[in-house]
Amino acid sequence: AQSVAQPEDQVNVAEGNPLTVKCTYSVSGNPYLFWYVQYPNRGLQFLLKYITGDNLVKGSYGFEAEFNKSQTSFHLKKPSALVSDSALYFCAVGNQAGTALIFGKGTTLSVSS
Amino acid sequence: DTAVSQTPKYLVTQMGNDKSIKCEQNLGHDTMYWYKQDSKKFLKIMFSYNNKELIINETVPNRFSPKSPDKAHLNLHINSLELGDSAVYFCASSQRTSGVVEQFFGPGTRLTVL
Repeated sequence: AQSVAQPEDQVNVAEGNPLTVKCTYSVSGNPYLFWYVQYPNRGLQFLLKYITGDNLVKGSYGFEAEFNKSQTSFHLKKPSALVSDSALYFCAVGNQAGTALIFGKGTTLSVSS
Repeated sequence: DTAVSQTPKYLVTQMGNDKSIKCEQNLGHDTMYWYKQDSKKFLKIMFSYNNKELIINETVPNRFSPKSPDKAHLNLHINSLELGDSAVYFCASSQRTSGVVEQFFGPGTRLTVL
């Protein structure tokens, strides 16, 4: 069965510092990995995905993620955090049939000024 | 233009009532989904429809019945509402024929059962 784990409930970072939000996955077959962001009282916004190809994936709003097959990780990164990046971040894996996303429990990112 | 829209945004109702949530997408996608986000923000797939046909039905009580009148619409009807149904319900869509691709989410419907 496909699953993802987000080991941190909350990540705190100062504005201007680099940020990392961690995600590890467990899949049978090829991993199809996604990051979404949810702002308060809003829907989920797609940030980036890894299907195949380069291990470093660039996405929206300056975010990127590094796919590491040996460590089964797909950590979300940004070189310089903004206060406006404060939100709830979800890692997800697509099931093999492409019929659903399986989400991690989410990580709250708090960026202080 | 809103890509995936849901109505209503908020729904407050009494236990035992029947209610519906509507979803529409204007992206031309062939697959639509319903997800439930509980009070701890955990997201779980409920249903998945491809070209108006049900392809996923997770372990959801049969009080929940999705209906897809056409590819652009997926409505969720809930009978005999219970306190535990209180949650945020998200509709999403994707183009499944393109493979495993990102899903686009609606703004959510916050259901409160009193």
